[in-house]
Parts: sequence; structure tokens; C-alpha cells
Amino acid sequence: NFMLTQPHSVSESPGETVTISCTGSSGSIASNYVQWYQQRPGSAPTVVIYEDNQRPSGVPDRFSGSIDSSSNSASLTISGLKTEDEADYYCQSYDTRYLGVFGGGTKLTVL
Amino acid sequence: QVQLVQSGSELKKPGASVKVSCKASGYTFTQFAMNWVRQAPGQGLEYMGWINTRTGNPTYAQGFTGRFVFFLDTPVNTAYLQISSLKAEDTAVYYCASPVGSGSYYRIWGQGTLVTVSS
Repeated sequence: NFMLTQPHSVSESPGETVTISCTGSSGSIASNYVQWYQQRPGSAPTVVIYEDNQRPSGVPDRFSGSIDSSSNSASLTISGLKTEDEADYYCQSYDTRYLGVFGGGTKLTVL
Repeated sequence: QVQLVQSGSELKKPGASVKVSCKASGYTFTQFAMNWVRQAPGQGLEYMGWINTRTGNPTYAQGFTGRFVFFLDTPVNTAYLQISSLKAEDTAVYYCASPVGSGSYYRIWGQGTLVTVSS
């Protein structure tokens, strides 16, 4: 089964840059698009990056996404960290049946 | 505006059944699939599967076959998740999500429905 692996947690100071990785278990992560969702406590997830590196309207350009085929991983980078960025972040892609697959989630602490 | 509104929290006993609704508005219901996602307390997001809103054909992810059923009431733009023979481990928030206006990712989410299974 295709799986996505994320670090359990990351922390960084306000104003700094943080990168969250998402590594595919098999095949090429570049075969299907990767999305990133932000989830604040008590709320539904919202997408911050779609189709590997596209930002929905309303998402600040401090958020960016990329794919690294050599490490079979996707990354979400948040620059100029703000306390409001503190949340759980999930990567998402698809398996061979085009069913959704989520990473385990990364808790971002901005301290 | 485009939105998905889910039914309220449920408290059920083990062995019972529960039906969670997800009412769509602001777009043509049959144009976009409806997906279901589970989140157990303190845990991550788990993809359950999706239903084709044109044909009513459901597809279930591994681990969600048998006791989990997706179905539609198309005239009222509503998708349903029914879980039978509830177990304590079914306690979770259940979300519906749709790719409305996007390629295929889950752009619009319902607010979530908490299902608690406890004796």
C-alpha cells in the first residue's frame, strides 16, 4: 500500500523559515499531484498548496510547495513564520486506484 | 456560496448504526464526487473513499469495506455515510469533502460530524 511519511512535529521561531517533508513509500511521488492541508484545532482542514506547488487564492505567498524526485518526497515551505501558522499540516496524494492517501500529519509549533 | 453542511454530533452505543449527512449547496451536486475522511481523536486524517454523485457508485478505501456505506439523495443534494455495528474505535470526526471547482483535490470540506460510540 502506498504511504506518505511526515515528521511528527517541527518547531521554529517567528520570522524564520520551516520546511515539512512528505516521503512516498513506493513508486514515484511525481506520478500524482501532492496537496498540503492546514488544520487548526477544532476546524476542518483547508488546502494551502494543491497540484504540487499551486497556491489557492487567499493563501499568502509565504507558503510554497515542491517535489524532489531524487528523494521521492514533497515539501511544504513556510517563510516568514507567524504565530497564526501554528497548526497541523497534512500532505495528500493518491494510490494506484486513485484513492486519496494522507500523510500522518506534522504539528508545527511557532515559538 | 459553495458549502457542505453536515449533520450534528451523535452518541451511539456499541452495535448500533449511525447515519451522517452532508448537504451540498452553491454548485451542481452531480458534477463533483463526494469524499469521506475520518479523524479519530488526536489522530491524523484517514481517507475512507468516495461516491460518484452522477451514478451513485461508491468506492471504499482499504479498511472501510463492509460496515461503511456511502449513498446519495440526489434530489436534495445530500450525501450520506452510514456505519453499522458500531465499535468504540469508530469514535471519530467524519468529514465530507468535495473537489468543487478544482481538478481533484478536496477543496471544500464540511464542518465535520463527531460520532461517539460508548456504552
